[in-house]
Amino acid sequence: QVTLRESGPALVKPTETLTLTCSFSGFSLSTSGMCVSWIRQSPGKALEWLAFIDWVDDKQYATSLQTRLTIAKDTDKSQVVLTMTNMDPVDTGTYYCARAVYSSGPYNWFDPWGQGIPVTVSS
Amino acid sequence: QSALTQPASVSGSPGQSITISCTGSSSDVGSYNFVSWYQQHPGKAPKLIIFETFKRPPDITRHFSGSKTGNTASLTISGLQADDEAEYFCCSYAGSTTFVLFGGGTKLTVL
Repeated sequence: QVTLRESGPALVKPTETLTLTCSFSGFSLSTSGMCVSWIRQSPGKALEWLAFIDWVDDKQYATSLQTRLTIAKDTDKSQVVLTMTNMDPVDTGTYYCARAVYSSGPYNWFDPWGQGIPVTVSS
Repeated sequence: QSALTQPASVSGSPGQSITISCTGSSSDVGSYNFVSWYQQHPGKAPKLIIFETFKRPPDITRHFSGSKTGNTASLTISGLQADDEAEYFCCSYAGSTTFVLFGGGTKLTVL
């Protein structure tokens, strides 16, 4: 059974750096075709893809956020860490990690998702 | 690129069928059969119900089906049940630079 779980702070101040950890089980990021993505959901419910990292350590970031995001993996610990710098109140939302699998094309679907971690940006 | 366009809400009675549309462009939905759909109940994480436009995960029944015409993908739910009341999101691959785009979500109400 594949599971993912996000952890990190619930509250950060404006301009601070957010560090989130995705701990997963049931698959390995050293296995061909595996990938972990981060996706966030605003309080108004819109979903936004943020970043991915895959089994060969390829990384990609949302164009609008790429200067603020860093993603890294620890294969031995089965963890993926996302950092987002210069946090702003508009970054408030629920942050999810999810597995993606290279099947008949590029990573394009996410299953399963972690339970999500609510993050509030406020002074 | 802009988010994909979904109706804000749809409704139907138990046993009826409903369809939710997801309109993109020739750069995303229209170019790839890489559309996925997610069901989200309140307070829960999204759950994959359709991937690669037409395919269902093993634990998803034929109750849910996906299709596409041109730049618009659709999710059809047949034989509506009370538990289908949820938010539904579409997602499309949009090329190697943008990667994926999500729709704004559709609230399904079972009357």
